[in-house]
Amino acid sequence: GESVGLHLPTLSVQEGDNSIINCAYSNSASDYFIWYKQESGKGPQFIIDIRSNMDKRQGQRVTVLLNKTVKHLSLQIAATQPGDSAVYFCAETRSGTYKYIFGTGTRLKVLA
Amino acid sequence: NAGVTQTPKFQVLKTGQSMTLQCAQDMNHNSMYWYRQDPGMGLRLIYYSASEGTTDKGEVPNGYNVSRLNKREFSLRLESAAPSQTSVYFCATSTANTEAFFGQGTRLTVV
Repeated sequence: GESVGLHLPTLSVQEGDNSIINCAYSNSASDYFIWYKQESGKGPQFIIDIRSNMDKRQGQRVTVLLNKTVKHLSLQIAATQPGDSAVYFCAETRSGTYKYIFGTGTRLKVLA
Repeated sequence: NAGVTQTPKFQVLKTGQSMTLQCAQDMNHNSMYWYRQDPGMGLRLIYYSASEGTTDKGEVPNGYNVSRLNKREFSLRLESAAPSQTSVYFCATSTANTEAFFGQGTRLTVV
């Protein structure tokens, strides 16, 4: 695939360890947040979302934390697997605006 | 159920040539979007269509035009391609206040 994200920050974790990917969002009026996973040569895929009336949401092996005070979002991946290697993006939007603002992304490398 | 389908998947253009990127969705979503993705950068919104019959500029609309042909289809046109438009282009769809669903992308090179 193409070299999407040549200069992205990279997080390297050992297989089986937990991963934490962070994101600072820009608009204090945003009320809906999404994490996407993008594998090489593919489009972004939805992982998990959270609305501003929550501060934590859990999925299968993933947890999203939202701190509105400091406009910070994090994605926690438990027991990281080789298939988790990808670029991860956060996105924010505000109800009624139809616009999603994406972060620059973090590359996750899983070491065997 | 194909979701969001983009054509073509790859394209090489010469500077000054024109082309149209096609996007079709079978998800019955009202909103459709065109993004570009450059190395080291996040997705940047070119144009969007909140609903059939409407289109609006995003953050990087210069050099592009769009057409919301019907509820299913949203095309992106480059009238006179420039090397700065070399990028990966993604179409996406959504309903109100839900996640956006993306196509597989069109990899465009302008030489």
